[in-house]
Amino acid sequence: EAQVTQNPRYLITVTGKKLTVTCSQNMNHEYMSWYRQDPGLGLRQIYYSMNVEVTDKGDVPEGYKVSRKEKRNFPLILESPSPNQTSLYFCASTDSSGESYNEQFFGPGTRLTVL
Amino acid sequence: AQKVTQAQTEISVVEKEDVTLDCVYETRDTTYYLFWYKQPPSGELVFLIRRNSFDEQNEISGRYSWNFQKSTSSFNFTITASQVVDSAVYFCALSEQTGTASKLTFGTGTRLQVTL
Repeated sequence: EAQVTQNPRYLITVTGKKLTVTCSQNMNHEYMSWYRQDPGLGLRQIYYSMNVEVTDKGDVPEGYKVSRKEKRNFPLILESPSPNQTSLYFCASTDSSGESYNEQFFGPGTRLTVL
Repeated sequence: AQKVTQAQTEISVVEKEDVTLDCVYETRDTTYYLFWYKQPPSGELVFLIRRNSFDEQNEISGRYSWNFQKSTSSFNFTITASQVVDSAVYFCALSEQTGTASKLTFGTGTRLQVTL
């Protein structure tokens, strides 16, 4: 089954404690991205990656890091989380060819609370 | 910069009523894609439709229909004979092409509440 998986699904942590949210896709997509969803703001792109070892900032990259060492994985790293990073996070991968061209497939979301 | 506006923050209807969710977009690209996603209370994002900028045909899928009008930069979504299960937040989104990359710009969403 084609899917994007994220772990953990829920996380409560404290300010300053480094964390990683993993994202993996099994569709061999080249393009992957991270979004955060906040009330009244919709979803905003944090970082994206066009291929292995190629990443770039989205609209709200401050406080986040990413890496793309393998095509299927795109982890989101918060080196020193702060309460304003409390949010719902979505990973997505995009089909750059074929019938679902340009459609973004979303993971189930990770609800992060930083105390 | 591209922008998506969903002016309706929240809509409440009674079951079996028809409801239209508005979406207005701004872009300088001549090639772009428009999307609608549904986010039920469980939180996941459910893909509903993708439409490219060269295809202005309206689309119907069961109780759902979409009206794409380039002249007014709108991509409105209508649910006919709404049901309680339609209660969700609905997002309209626009993608631009940057080389081989793509990015979705989302509207702020419309919360639809369908009651008995």
